[in-house]
Amino acid sequence: NAGVTQTPKFQVLKTGQSMTLQCAQDMNHEYMSWYRQDPGMGLRLIHYSVGAGITDQGEVPNGYNVSRSTTEDFPLRLLSAAPSQTSVYFCASSLMGQGNGYTFGSGTRLTVV
Amino acid sequence: AQKVTQAQTEISVVEKEDVTLDCVYETRDTTYYLFWYKQPPSGELVFLIRRNSFDEQNEISGRYSWNFQKSTSSFNFTITASQVVDSAVYFCARYSGGGADGLTFGKGTHLIIQP
Repeated sequence: NAGVTQTPKFQVLKTGQSMTLQCAQDMNHEYMSWYRQDPGMGLRLIHYSVGAGITDQGEVPNGYNVSRSTTEDFPLRLLSAAPSQTSVYFCASSLMGQGNGYTFGSGTRLTVV
Repeated sequence: AQKVTQAQTEISVVEKEDVTLDCVYETRDTTYYLFWYKQPPSGELVFLIRRNSFDEQNEISGRYSWNFQKSTSSFNFTITASQVVDSAVYFCARYSGGGADGLTFGKGTHLIIQP
């Protein structure tokens, strides 16, 4: 099993550019989410999904869009990148309920210049 | 939002010393789950332990142990006889259910083990 796969691992964008961070899981997990990690801030929830066709906002959703057309994939879109979006992004998935442990991807380090 | 507080930003100890990482959480829920994750310098997040709110038994796994006390809303993590490979950022997290709360993380404690 591949677990949670994130691509790319590194990306440099210019301010105003758009891009999509990819996330795929092969564990048939209903719940998927995106976090960003900034120094001294821990991990903060951006968006999450409880199943195909269902998404909602987390703590820091501004500047990001998501969609969930399949159980496996949960891409994160930056429509117009800003330097404040320079961060490390983690995708995570889990089975719903029971506080099941999250499985995290290896992260995407994004720099916006 | 219900917070998770890791008051120790950075801890530095000499190898073989014991070290305790503190975690205090807020919750209005009866049922919740607590986690510890390790993030080594390579950057990935490694799951260490999960406890549910109904199980206050302490847990020991090799050199790692966890002390869960509902009375003080704490879930502390102790490494005995620390090793250089334990150097990492450690995150405590709380889960009360799906949705916007999701898995709420503390800001992490950077543990440095000096040889």
